[in-house]
Amino acid sequence: AQSVTQLDSQVPVFEEAPVELRCNYSSSVSVYLFWYVQYPNQGLQLLLKYLSGSTLVESINGFEAEFNKSQTSFHLRKPSVHISDTAEYFCAVSDVRGNTPLVFGKGTRLSVIA
Amino acid sequence: KAGVTQTPRYLIKTRGQQVTLSCSPISGHRSVSWYQQTPGQGLQFLFEYFSETQRNKGNFPGRFSGRQFSNSRSEMNVSTLELGDSALYLCASSSTSGEKTQYFGPGTRLLVL
Repeated sequence: AQSVTQLDSQVPVFEEAPVELRCNYSSSVSVYLFWYVQYPNQGLQLLLKYLSGSTLVESINGFEAEFNKSQTSFHLRKPSVHISDTAEYFCAVSDVRGNTPLVFGKGTRLSVIA
Repeated sequence: KAGVTQTPRYLIKTRGQQVTLSCSPISGHRSVSWYQQTPGQGLQFLFEYFSETQRNKGNFPGRFSGRQFSNSRSEMNVSTLELGDSALYLCASSSTSGEKTQYFGPGTRLLVL
């Protein structure tokens, strides 16, 4: 079984500052990794994913995440945040072998301060 | 392509009643999963359907049930509602049961009084 730990429940950051949202996972098998974002009163939107290949993956709105197998981490970063990035961010993991459901972390609430 | 749609968006019920929520997946997607989201427990997996068959089930009581139709639309039902069932219920679809990229709908917010 997999598990996900998002180390920070809340992260306040000033506009235009860099941010890192941390995610660690536990699994005995190879995994796929995802970051989803949830804006207020909305569902989850896929931000980026790691399935295979390059360990650095990027989203269209400037976020990136790096898969680190040795540290079992998939931290999300953005070099300069905007007010519009204020949302809750969820890290999720699933194993590559079977039809098992996504396992989500508890979420990190990112608050961007003007 | 239209995204995942869920109806209704908001629902208020009283304890003991039952409720049915509906989810229409992205066209061509055959797998539908349901999640319950609460502030205390976060996102918890309820069940997954693929080609009208339940493929996975989370750790929820039997009051929670679901089904999928031949057009891939899915419904979930909660009987004998309890206050603790108040939550955002999210539906997600993916193209195959093994495909891990799930696309979520806006959710149905259920309030049980």
